[in-house]
Order: sequence, then C-alpha cells, then structure tokens
Amino acid sequence: KAGVTQTPRYLIKTRGQQVTLSCSPISGHRSVSWYQQTPGQGLQFLFEYFSETQRNKGNFPGRFSGRQFSNSRSEMNVSTLELGDSALYLCASSLVRDHYEQYFGPGTRLTVT
Amino acid sequence: AQSVTQPDIHITVSEGASLELRCNYSYGATPYLFWYVQSPGQGLQLLLKYFSGDTLVQGIKGFEAEFKRSQSSFNLRKPSVHWSDAAEYFCAVGSRGAGSYQLTFGKGTKLSVIP
Repeated sequence: KAGVTQTPRYLIKTRGQQVTLSCSPISGHRSVSWYQQTPGQGLQFLFEYFSETQRNKGNFPGRFSGRQFSNSRSEMNVSTLELGDSALYLCASSLVRDHYEQYFGPGTRLTVT
Repeated sequence: AQSVTQPDIHITVSEGASLELRCNYSYGATPYLFWYVQSPGQGLQLLLKYFSGDTLVQGIKGFEAEFKRSQSSFNLRKPSVHWSDAAEYFCAVGSRGAGSYQLTFGKGTKLSVIP
C-alpha cells in the first residue's frame, strides 16, 4: 500500500506570496493532519481534517488555512508569506477507527526569501 | 494542556552499545504515547505505540519502550545500536478533545552512532 505523498517536496517563495501544499493520504485513511516543523519550535500541530471538515486547529494565524476533498486528499495554504514560515510541513493520515496512529509523509520543505 | 519533555537534546553512543532515550509527558487522562524516528530530510516513521495494557511495548527495528505511569515516563530502549539508527527521535502524546485529535511532540533527541 502506498504511503502518504506530499507535493511538492521543495518550494522557494518570496515574502508576501502565497503557497499551496498538497497531501494524498494512505488509501482508505480519512483523517489528515498537518504539522509544521522548525528548528526553533519543533513540531507543531496546524490542523486536522475529517470528511472535508476541519475539526481542530492549532495556534497559528489565519494566514494558514486548509481544506480536504471528498477523496480525502488535502491541501494547505499559506497567504502573505513571512520569513518565519520557512519550515518543513508534514502531513499525516490515519484510519477512522485507528485514529490515534498517524502515518507521516516525507514533507514539503518551504523556504521563504 | 498536554506536554512532552525529552531531556536529552543529543546523545552519542558506540555501535553495539545499548540505548535509552528519555521521555516524560504531562496529560490529564490516560495517555496515548508514541515514538517516531526521523532521518535527515525525511518524514516521521512510527516506531511503536502505547494505548493500554502491557506497559512494555515492542516496536520495529528492535526498539522497545516502557510506560511508567508513576513516573509519567515512556522511555525508548534498544539493546544494541546499529549505525543505521543514527537519526532524530521524537516522543509524542495523543490527546482527544471536541471530536478531534492531535499529537503533541517533544523537541526530539538526536542520536549519533560511533562506528
């Protein structure tokens, strides 16, 4: 079974631009979560989606948003990029019944210049 | 609020030596605990998990962890380290609320292995 895939793997953007990252969960997984990883703050929870609904959001500004499609694929968007948004963005998926066990993708490395 | 502390930022061991990575958590209810490993430039791979039952859990790659409720700890162990184990290790606690669920991670412990 294929794992979680994330595209693109690497991205370079300029301050003020916006960016969209994509995540395809493991087949059959219906929950998708996003995390931001930086050297200073470590791994921080962004948001979780299930059945196209955002169920939980971490402590991030409104510039960070996301959505989930009917096939469980998810996208996250960051508008008005800031230098501090440079990070590895990780997507994780889980089955409904085994919700606590999350499987991570390889991440998207975003660099803001 | 839940939290996870990994006291050791960096550990160096010789190949073949035993390993113990420490993890302490803070959570009001029964914790769901995890250890993940991350190689450079990669995502996180689940090593093992504790939900309930036997406090000693076995994982992949020869790792095990022991849940000690009295000490709020979930330490990761391996009897003999291989050079390929060099990576960063993250302990996490899962928390549920308002119909949702999230993982809270520690800051990680970077493991270096001397051949």
